[in-house]
Amino acid sequence: SQQGEEDPQALSIQEGENATMNCSYKTSINNLQWYRQNSGRGLVHLILIRSNEREKHSGRLRVTLDTSKKSSSLLITASRAADTASYFCATQETSGSRLTFGEGTQLTVNP
Amino acid sequence: GAVVSQHPSRVICKSGTSVKIECRSLDFQATTMFWYRQFPKQSLMLMATSNEGSKATYEQGVEKDKFLINHASLTLSTLTVTSAHPEDSSFYICSASPFKDRVAYEQYFGPGTRLTVT
Repeated sequence: SQQGEEDPQALSIQEGENATMNCSYKTSINNLQWYRQNSGRGLVHLILIRSNEREKHSGRLRVTLDTSKKSSSLLITASRAADTASYFCATQETSGSRLTFGEGTQLTVNP
Repeated sequence: GAVVSQHPSRVICKSGTSVKIECRSLDFQATTMFWYRQFPKQSLMLMATSNEGSKATYEQGVEKDKFLINHASLTLSTLTVTSAHPEDSSFYICSASPFKDRVAYEQYFGPGTRLTVT
């Protein structure tokens, strides 16, 4: 069963704007990961944040993790039309174990 | 980065036939691979965990006799959908983690296999 809930389910913004997606989970975790999926394609790993980390950056991506609230957010700054995709959070309870995915957010960036 | 391939990328089969999907880690060894299923506009649902040299571990509700998994080597796992029915039509995705110093890192996903059962 999916333990992650993501909001919003769908987000439509203009190019250049920032996009923020949120993810909540229910169990204790070792790490939380964000993935991107273009329509009909496989998943691309974006960023991993461990349970003892609070914030992580990678290029235009910024991820935060609040283990007390069991939530994470993904911020994409200065969005581009090419960022249009579905974004999923996924948690791992222990290193190397199964991933449990959230429901995903469909991001549309309009040129 | 680590590369995982899947073959075929698309397959159409007739109801009642069996289909085999391969998942390969191309540049690393993976003792564990995972098989997911994704229906349109939905998230990924884990079907089973494939362990090299041992039986797969299936998630609740997944029929092990229908979805046969074989992890014959450290770089290859196969999923066979037996006696396929139209409701088995879905996007099947595998993933694997490279291990370093006994610690597993990010999972890398294959490009997926679109199965259509007619």
